[in-house]
Amino acid sequence: AQRVTQPEKLLSVFKGAPVELKCNYSYSGSPELFWYVQYSRQRLQLLLRHISRESIKGFTADLNKGETSFHLKKPFAQEEDSAMYYCALRAPGGGNKLTFGTGTQLKVEL
Amino acid sequence: KAGVTQTPRYLIKTRGQQVTLSCSPISGHRSVSWYQQTPGQGLQFLFEYFSETQRNKGNFPGRFSGRQFSNSRSEMNVSTLELGDSALYLCASSLEGGRDTEAFFGQGTRLTVV
Repeated sequence: AQRVTQPEKLLSVFKGAPVELKCNYSYSGSPELFWYVQYSRQRLQLLLRHISRESIKGFTADLNKGETSFHLKKPFAQEEDSAMYYCALRAPGGGNKLTFGTGTQLKVEL
Repeated sequence: KAGVTQTPRYLIKTRGQQVTLSCSPISGHRSVSWYQQTPGQGLQFLFEYFSETQRNKGNFPGRFSGRQFSNSRSEMNVSTLELGDSALYLCASSLEGGRDTEAFFGQGTRLTVV
């Protein structure tokens, strides 16, 4: 069975401080990993995916297969980063089914 | 292009009733997935339809069902509503589902069962 764990329900940081949102997964294979973000009163949207290895809005995430982790990082937090962040997994050949973690609320304080 | 549209946005139903939610995907997307979002359980996968066929199913009771039409629009039905069915129901549309496919979400239907 596949599972995604986000250990922190709430993460509060000051503006300009580094951010790391943790995500661990369990899956016996090579899954695709994603980070989705939900800003206040907006719909859930894709932030980044491990395949493209791109940086979006200053965020990066590296897939560590040894530790089965896909932590989301940003060197300097901005106020507009305050949002709910979800880590998600998709199994190869599993269609478009996404398994989500329970989410981490990031609050960036001034 | 227009995003994923879900109707209605809000619903209030009584226990024991049934409800039908609708989702119109992005033009050209043939895959539609449904999720239930609650404060306690987070986002849980209900089912996925692709080209009018159910391709994936989550661990929900048979009271939850869905279908997809030839124009890719999808409906989700919940029969014999229970208080615990109160949730935000999200629909996501995607292209076929190969590697690196992005899911685009609607704004959801907020269902309250009283």
